[in-house]
Amino acid sequence: QAGLTQPPSVSKDLRQTATLSCTGNSNNVGNQGAAWLQHHQGHPPKLLSYRTGNRPSGISERFSPSRSGNTASLTITGLQPEDEADYYCSAWDSSLSTWVFGGGTKVTVL
Amino acid sequence: QVQLVQSGAEVKKPGASLKVSCKASGYIFSHYYMHWFREAPGQGLEWMGIIKTEGGDTTYPQKFQGRLTMTRDTSTRTVYMELSSLSSEDTAVYYCARENDAFDFWGHGTLVTVSS
Repeated sequence: QAGLTQPPSVSKDLRQTATLSCTGNSNNVGNQGAAWLQHHQGHPPKLLSYRTGNRPSGISERFSPSRSGNTASLTITGLQPEDEADYYCSAWDSSLSTWVFGGGTKVTVL
Repeated sequence: QVQLVQSGAEVKKPGASLKVSCKASGYIFSHYYMHWFREAPGQGLEWMGIIKTEGGDTTYPQKFQGRLTMTRDTSTRTVYMELSSLSSEDTAVYYCARENDAFDFWGHGTLVTVSS
C-alpha cells in the first residue's frame, strides 16, 4: 500500500538529532508536501505537522518538518525516551486522487 | 473540543461482518471528511478509505473493495465502517480520523479480534 518511501528504522542516542525522510514524487510530496504522524503502539496516532509544515498546537518545536523537492523530512532534535515510536508520512496524490502513505519509520532512542 | 468516540471492542468469528461506529463532536460534522485506518499486530498503520461526510461519497483502496462499506448519519454525527467476510487477518485496532489538511484528530481505537 505504501506510495511513499520511508526508511524502516532509525536509531540515535539520547539527546541526539534524528532526521527521517519520506520520498514521493511530483504528484504528491513535491506538489503539496507531506504530513507527519507519531504513533505509539496501543495509542491513537498523533499529528506532528500538517502538509503546510505547521505544527498543531501543543506539538514540541523539537519536531521540525521540511521539504526539498519530492522528499519531505522530519527532524527530531534532543531525542527523548518518549520519542521512541513509529513515524508515518502522508500526502495527497493529485494524479491518483487519493492519499498515499509511507510504510513508517521506527525510531529507537539508545 | 473535537472528539471522536468509537464503539467498543468486538470479537468476531471468521466469515462474520463487523460494524464500527465513530461519533464526532466539537466541530461542524459535514465540513470535514473522515478516514478509517487499522493497525494489525506487528504491522504498521493501514489506510482503509475515506467518506465525505456531506454527500456520503466513499473511496476505498482496491484491497478492500467489495467487502468494505463506509456510511454516515448526519443527524447523529456518526460515521460507520462495515467490513464483511472477516478472517484472522482482520484482527486489528481500527481507528477513525478526521481530515483537515492532514489527520488531525483520531478516535481512541476499536480492538477487533477475529477468532473461531
